[in-house]
Amino acid sequence: KAGVTQTPRYLIKTRGQQVTLSCSPISGHRSVSWYQQTPGQGLQFLFEYFSETQRNKGNFPGRFSGRQFSNSRSEMNVSTLELGDSALYLCASSLATGTLNEQFFGPGTRLTVL
Amino acid sequence: QKEVEQDPGPLSVPEGAIVSLNCTYSNSAFQYFMWYRQYSRKGPELLMYTYSSGNKEDGRFTAQVDKSSKYISLFIRDSQPSDSATYLCAMISGGYQKVTFGTGTKLQVIP
Repeated sequence: KAGVTQTPRYLIKTRGQQVTLSCSPISGHRSVSWYQQTPGQGLQFLFEYFSETQRNKGNFPGRFSGRQFSNSRSEMNVSTLELGDSALYLCASSLATGTLNEQFFGPGTRLTVL
Repeated sequence: QKEVEQDPGPLSVPEGAIVSLNCTYSNSAFQYFMWYRQYSRKGPELLMYTYSSGNKEDGRFTAQVDKSSKYISLFIRDSQPSDSATYLCAMISGGYQKVTFGTGTKLQVIP
């Protein structure tokens, strides 16, 4: 069974631009969560989607948004990029939401904002 | 103050040593406790999870939770070079809705 895939793996953008990251969950998984990982803050929860609906949201500004498609694939968008948005963005999938299901992480997208 | 505090290390030990990794937390609502391992250029992978105070063993790994002190630990016995990674503690409150992670401890096991 294929794992969680994320594209692209690396991305370089400049301040003010916007970016879209993509995540394909494990087949059969319907919940997709997004995290931002930085050396200082660690892994911080961005949001979770289940059946195309955002179920939970972390404490990030509105520049961070996401969506989930009917095939459970998810995209995350960051608008008006800032230097502080440079981070590893991780996507994790699990079978369902609202239960203690193991989350399986993808390898992440490394975003660098210049 | 962060909800979960974890010593960032790095921690460097000789092969065969016993490793102790620790996290403290402030949110009494946390009920489920997990340890993830993250190799370089990879996403985290779940090592162990537990929901009660006490110890849980899995091979060379032991997870310990002390809810009264709001303190969790991961012990690695007979550490191997392949254990070299960043270890993240993580916690969930009863609603299972959001996972809160520690910042991670980088471990290096020297052959």
